[in-house]
Amino acid sequence: GDSVTQMEGPVTLSEEAFLTINCTYTATGYPSLFWYVQYPGEGLQLLLKATKADDKGSNKGFEATYRKETTSFHLEKGSVQVSDSAVYFCALKNSGYALNFGKGTSLLVTP
Amino acid sequence: DAGVIQSPRHEVTEMGQEVTLRCKPISGHNSLFWYRQTMMRGLELLIYFNNNVPIDDSGMPEDRFSAKMPNASFSTLKIQPSEPRDSAVYFCASSKGQGYNSPLHFGNGTRLTVT
Repeated sequence: GDSVTQMEGPVTLSEEAFLTINCTYTATGYPSLFWYVQYPGEGLQLLLKATKADDKGSNKGFEATYRKETTSFHLEKGSVQVSDSAVYFCALKNSGYALNFGKGTSLLVTP
Repeated sequence: DAGVIQSPRHEVTEMGQEVTLRCKPISGHNSLFWYRQTMMRGLELLIYFNNNVPIDDSGMPEDRFSAKMPNASFSTLKIQPSEPRDSAVYFCASSKGQGYNSPLHFGNGTRLTVT
């Protein structure tokens, strides 16, 4: 079945460092791909999405490119801030209604 | 937009007790999902409703769990009897439609602790 694999955390970075969180997927067909973010004590929020190969999703300085050849959707940000500390979830949606989530990657940004 | 509203935020109960979690989806959203989040299993889809009708309950762990959606603005998830292994954060999420351009909107969750 469909699945998403994320790099294990926690990831700890200093403020203004470059961020990469790896995400790979296994799916039949042409799924849509998503990154969600969960701040402490809150529910998940959609961060960005890409619906077809080579699409780049972007929001709040974060970017991810849908790479079908490598079945990847890595999340990047050029300069992280303390306020980016959160748990990040990669997810895919294939035909139908269900989102398949990865296990999540915890990010801690220190001043 | 008030967002998805869940209550209570925290629930502590003893094993064997009945627990009811509540959810008010965003007005106009016709899809509603209940998820459970644990450290071990991550996010698991428990049940999915479309237009108030349960479409997929294959993720409901066992008969102790039940969910209802009596109308478009209210859903409940009930656990009876509760067990310590049910301790988790339970999220309700809603969306308008099911397609790729229908992002999920999550509530802030209910943290359930069963002692």
